[in-house]
Amino acid sequence: DTGVSQNPRHKITKRGQNVTFRCDPISEHNRLYWYRQTLGQGPEFLTYFQNEAQLEKSRLLSDRFSAERPKGSFSTLEIQRTEQGDSAMYLCASSDDTYTQETQYFGPGTRLLVL
Amino acid sequence: DQQVKQNSPSLSVQEGRISILNCDYTNSMFDYFLWYKKYPAEGPTFLISISSIKDKNEDGRFTVFLNKSAKHLSLHIVPSQPGDSAVYFCAANPSRLTFGEGTQLTVNP
Repeated sequence: DTGVSQNPRHKITKRGQNVTFRCDPISEHNRLYWYRQTLGQGPEFLTYFQNEAQLEKSRLLSDRFSAERPKGSFSTLEIQRTEQGDSAMYLCASSDDTYTQETQYFGPGTRLLVL
Repeated sequence: DQQVKQNSPSLSVQEGRISILNCDYTNSMFDYFLWYKKYPAEGPTFLISISSIKDKNEDGRFTVFLNKSAKHLSLHIVPSQPGDSAVYFCAANPSRLTFGEGTQLTVNP
């Protein structure tokens, strides 16, 4: 399978705990994006990487959130001191910026529930 | 500030008929538009896209139309099939995607 993969698929945690999600993009893609989707809404942009450089962060990404892509391959998204409002589907997407107009391909998502 | 809007939360059509999903945008900097299909508990699946220099793009049963002057795009599915039942999102970029709220399409056998 050469698509975008995300782990874990589901995570249940208690408020105040830290969680970390992983995303493995399509292998030749140099751009990697994180989005968050809540019920009844479209995905909302969180942050993106060009290779290992984090180029943009949304104001939705509070200081409890941190993302890394250390070697320009997989990425991790960590949420510290989780809150119930963090419950959502976290989506990762990747794209190839060789093309002027890039198409982003999404992984299956990680569904987070904070109790 | 909702820069991409899908005003119809739901649409129901009969199998074999045409489904038309609509999307409006406000940002003139958007130059590439995409439609994604999403099943519950899965990530969005790319369907079809269109560049701002075109007004139509077709791929099998799916056609996307872009009216730049009206800042409006639509997705036509012909013929509709029960397996098309899903939530459809339109999205726009450059770079990071801005999504609409989605339209739940139900195709009845």
